[in-house]
Amino acid sequence: GQNIDQPTEMTATEGAIVQINCTYQTSGFNGLFWYQQHAGEAPTFLSYNVLDGLEEKGRFSSFLSRSKGYSYLLLKELQMKDSASYLCAVSMFYNQGGKLIFGQGTELSVKP
Amino acid sequence: DAGVTQSPTHLIKTRGQHVTLRCSPISGHKSVSWYQQVLGQGPQFIFQYYEKEERGRGNFPDRFSARQFPNYSSELNVNALLLGDSALYLCASSLGLAGGNPYEQYFGPGTRLTVT
Repeated sequence: GQNIDQPTEMTATEGAIVQINCTYQTSGFNGLFWYQQHAGEAPTFLSYNVLDGLEEKGRFSSFLSRSKGYSYLLLKELQMKDSASYLCAVSMFYNQGGKLIFGQGTELSVKP
Repeated sequence: DAGVTQSPTHLIKTRGQHVTLRCSPISGHKSVSWYQQVLGQGPQFIFQYYEKEERGRGNFPDRFSARQFPNYSSELNVNALLLGDSALYLCASSLGLAGGNPYEQYFGPGTRLTVT
């Protein structure tokens, strides 16, 4: 089966750093995505990892360990607008439908 | 350039009815995928179409069907609606086969379907 786990909710303070973890067990793997989704809106792309290591993009960084089936998203210098749901998703190969398998999402609340 | 567009934005239907949702991909994109997102959950894969052929299907009943047209737009059809079909239906567009070049999946704003 396919299983992706991430915490349901997290709370952090404006200006702080927060790390959102994701563990996965899937029958295939063609990379791991992080998406941000504000309430009632479409997911928007944040980051993509296919090799082990850290990818940094401005205030956002994402880490992947394929051997451990583990990833995290690091958000620095938190802003109120970062309050959103953060979705971890594993991409499958095209011969497996090319689908994205999503976790349930982590609802992040940023407080003043 | 326009992004992925979906219509309608919101829809209210009654149990047992049929619904058709529409998606227009980004210009030049040949693949469309459909996802269902129930409130509080991550999106669940329904279908992928590429070059008008079904290339992937998720674990959804036969009441769900889709097709892709020569202009690469797509329709998702759901028959015999159930209360549990109430969800945000997302369309994702990609240049090639999703899962070949994963960078290229872009999501539309979604259609919010409410079944009463």
